[in-house]
Amino acid sequence: GAVVSQHPSRVICKSGTSVKIECRSLDFQATTMFWYRQFPKQSLMLMATSNEGSKATYEQGVEKDKFLINHASLTLSTLTVTSAHPEDSSFYICSARTRTRTQQYFGPGTRLTVL
Amino acid sequence: AQKVTQAQTEISVVEKEDVTLDCVYETRDTTYYLFWYKQPPSGELVFLIRRNSFDEQNEISGRYSWNFQKSTSSFNFTITASQVVDSAVYFCALMGNTDKLIFGTGTRLQVFP
Repeated sequence: GAVVSQHPSRVICKSGTSVKIECRSLDFQATTMFWYRQFPKQSLMLMATSNEGSKATYEQGVEKDKFLINHASLTLSTLTVTSAHPEDSSFYICSARTRTRTQQYFGPGTRLTVL
Repeated sequence: AQKVTQAQTEISVVEKEDVTLDCVYETRDTTYYLFWYKQPPSGELVFLIRRNSFDEQNEISGRYSWNFQKSTSSFNFTITASQVVDSAVYFCALMGNTDKLIFGTGTRLQVFP
């Protein structure tokens, strides 16, 4: 089956620093990748959609200058949380799909803690 | 607007009991997909099922079964003879023409031995 990895799985950083999270599709080409955020005991909320080679499309209320998304290849997308603050602490999950499939394949998630 | 409602926030059962998780959705799209995912304490989402709007056949997979009823916009999930390993948060999700997955708020299932 399709496998999506995320790195790191867990990160703790100081307030004001930037954190980069990688999402990779290991055995398929992901034309579209999605980034979700999940606060404790809440649902997954879509942050942005990125298509390979294009700028990401952000959901309403998500600051594009704070959450930088790059999808430079068909197997890699990165989410950079710039100048992270404690309120950015959350579980970040990526997913990926191919052009012809409706199904999204989810990564294992990255738990970000900002002190 | 698209919306998924999981009215049950938390359910507790004892092992071997059957349990049904409810999911009600709203969409104006004629073509859409419905999903169920399991999220164990590790956090990783586990795909359980996908159903398209034109296929109303119920499905059974081992102890899991799904009941899709367009007339009531529901896509309920039943676990038969529950086990402790079934303890997790279960999400129902909808995808319409926008290709975006809209998740419900989730139902936390606790199965006690």
